[in-house]
Amino acid sequence: DTGVSQNPRHKITKRGQNVTFRCDPISEHNRLYWYRQTLGQGPEFLTYFQNEAQLEKSRLLSDRFSAERPKGSFSTLEIQRTEQGDSAMYLCASSTDPGQGTTEAFFGQGTRLTVV
Amino acid sequence: DQQVKQNSPSLSVQEGRISILNCDYTNSMFDYFLWYKKYPAEGPTFLISISSIKDKNEDGRFTVFLNKSAKHLSLHIVPSQPGDSAVYFCAASGYGNQFYFGTGTSLTVIP
Repeated sequence: DTGVSQNPRHKITKRGQNVTFRCDPISEHNRLYWYRQTLGQGPEFLTYFQNEAQLEKSRLLSDRFSAERPKGSFSTLEIQRTEQGDSAMYLCASSTDPGQGTTEAFFGQGTRLTVV
Repeated sequence: DQQVKQNSPSLSVQEGRISILNCDYTNSMFDYFLWYKKYPAEGPTFLISISSIKDKNEDGRFTVFLNKSAKHLSLHIVPSQPGDSAVYFCAASGYGNQFYFGTGTSLTVIP
């Protein structure tokens, strides 16, 4: 399967613990996005990378959140000192370089985080 | 500040009939629009897109219409099938930046 891969699929953690999620994009895609989705809402933008450079961060991405994409390949999203409000589906997507226009982003299956 | 809006949370359609899902946007800088389909506990699946230089794009049973003056787009599914039952999200982007999503419309196709 050459789609976007996210691990783990599910994560249950105690409040105050740190968690890290991984995303492996489609291999030829140099754009990588992180989104968060809660019940009844559409995906909300968190951040995106062009290769290894983090180009934009949402104000939703508090200082407890950090994302990296070393070497422009896979990406990790870490949440420190988790809170119950962090419970959500975390989605990763990738796309080719928009260049002159915009291309569609392909999503992974998501990581469902539950903070108890 | 919701820049992409889907005002109908749900829609029910008989199998074989047309499903029309609507989406409105506020940002005139958006130049690319997409529709995604989502099943529970899965990530969104790309369906169809349209550039702002076009007003219609068709792919099989799916057609997206764009009315830039009204800042409105719609997705037509003809004929609707039970397997089309899912949540549909409209998304928009400007100049290759982030995608903004609506809140989704849950489509139920009744056999």
